[in-house]
Amino acid sequence: DAGVIQSPRHEVTEMGQEVTLRCKPISGHDYLFWYRQTMMRGLELLIYFNNNVPIDDSGMPEDRFSAKMPNASFSTLKIQPSEPRDSAVYFCASTFQGGTEAFFGQGTRLTVV
Amino acid sequence: GESVGLHLPTLSVQEGDNSIINCAYSNSASDYFIWYKQESGKGPQFIIDIRSNMDKRQGQRVTVLLNKTVKHLSLQIAATQPGDSAVYFCALGSQGNLIFGKGTKLSVKP
Repeated sequence: DAGVIQSPRHEVTEMGQEVTLRCKPISGHDYLFWYRQTMMRGLELLIYFNNNVPIDDSGMPEDRFSAKMPNASFSTLKIQPSEPRDSAVYFCASTFQGGTEAFFGQGTRLTVV
Repeated sequence: GESVGLHLPTLSVQEGDNSIINCAYSNSASDYFIWYKQESGKGPQFIIDIRSNMDKRQGQRVTVLLNKTVKHLSLQIAATQPGDSAVYFCALGSQGNLIFGKGTKLSVKP
């Protein structure tokens, strides 16, 4: 397996634009996580899914953020409208049966100007 | 809510010495305590975990100690190598969830 795949690796967008981040988890993994990483706040859990169902979205900053998982092999994190304070590295990770070994993607570095 | 904190944001050690990275936590309900390593430009990578009913676990060159009385977790790296230079995170695991602390940057001097 190629591991967790995220796209794009880098995204630069203007304030107010819609941004969509994508993630393909490891095949067979049933948990998927979205994290945001900044120097100030560290690695924050935004939302996680189990069997494509959102379990906890309490970390989603505000209504501008939304995440979906239409099937077991694909998830999106959307920011609409984007703001400069959303600039961060966004990671997707997956685990098998909620285990402790999460496999992370390479991350998407988002810059909102 | 859960929170995970770290005693030191940076740690510098000499190559060959042992490293100790510490972590304090507040939520006693976690099932697992986990250590991750993040190298520059990459996502975090699992190192080792310990169940909440254990107090010590050893891996290859690493040992994790858990003191539930004072809610403290540590990662010991033996014979630290330049390749160990990275940011280390402790994390709490419970019912599939994973919450990370802010990280300690380990620098290894040759």
